[in-house]
Amino acid sequence: AQSVTQPDIHITVSEGASLELRCNYSYGATPYLFWYVQSPGQGLQLLLKYFSGDTLVQGIKGFEAEFKRSQSSFNLRKPSVHWSDAAEYFCAVGDNTNAGKSTFGDGTTLTVKP
Amino acid sequence: ETGVTQSPTHLIKTRGQQVTLRCSSQSGHNTVSWYQQALGQGPQFIFQYYREEENGRGNFPPRFSGLQFPNYSSELNVNALELDDSALYLCASSSGANVLTFGAGSRLTVL
Repeated sequence: AQSVTQPDIHITVSEGASLELRCNYSYGATPYLFWYVQSPGQGLQLLLKYFSGDTLVQGIKGFEAEFKRSQSSFNLRKPSVHWSDAAEYFCAVGDNTNAGKSTFGDGTTLTVKP
Repeated sequence: ETGVTQSPTHLIKTRGQQVTLRCSSQSGHNTVSWYQQALGQGPQFIFQYYREEENGRGNFPPRFSGLQFPNYSSELNVNALELDDSALYLCASSSGANVLTFGAGSRLTVL
């Protein structure tokens, strides 16, 4: 069975500082991997996705993520955080034939200090 | 293009009642997936509908059921509500199978 672990429940960074959110997954084959962001009371917005190819993927809002098969990781990074990035972030692994059947981690809440 | 819309946005029910949540998929999307997001947790896959047929189900009991209509909109029905059914219910649509567009969700409170 597929699973996703986000080890950090809550992260606080200063505005302008760099950010890395960790994600580890378990999946038998080549996974579809996703990062989503959720603002309070809202649905999920896709930040970026990895299906195959280049292991460093670029997303919206200046985010990027790197797929490392040997470590079963897909960490999200941003070089300089803005106050508007404060939100909850979810990593997900999708069935390799159907992303609609994704398994999500429990999320990391990002707080940005001024 | 319109996104995914869900209704109602909030509702309160009592234990044992039944609830129907609705979802209009994004234009051009023929697949709808439903997720339950309990407080402080990530979304959990309930089921998916494709061409009006259930196309996969997560670990949810049969009292969770759904429908998809010819216009690809969908309903989620939950019978015999329990307190633990209190959650944000998210609908996501997709075209093909690869990228999901989520609605803002329906917040269900069961008292």
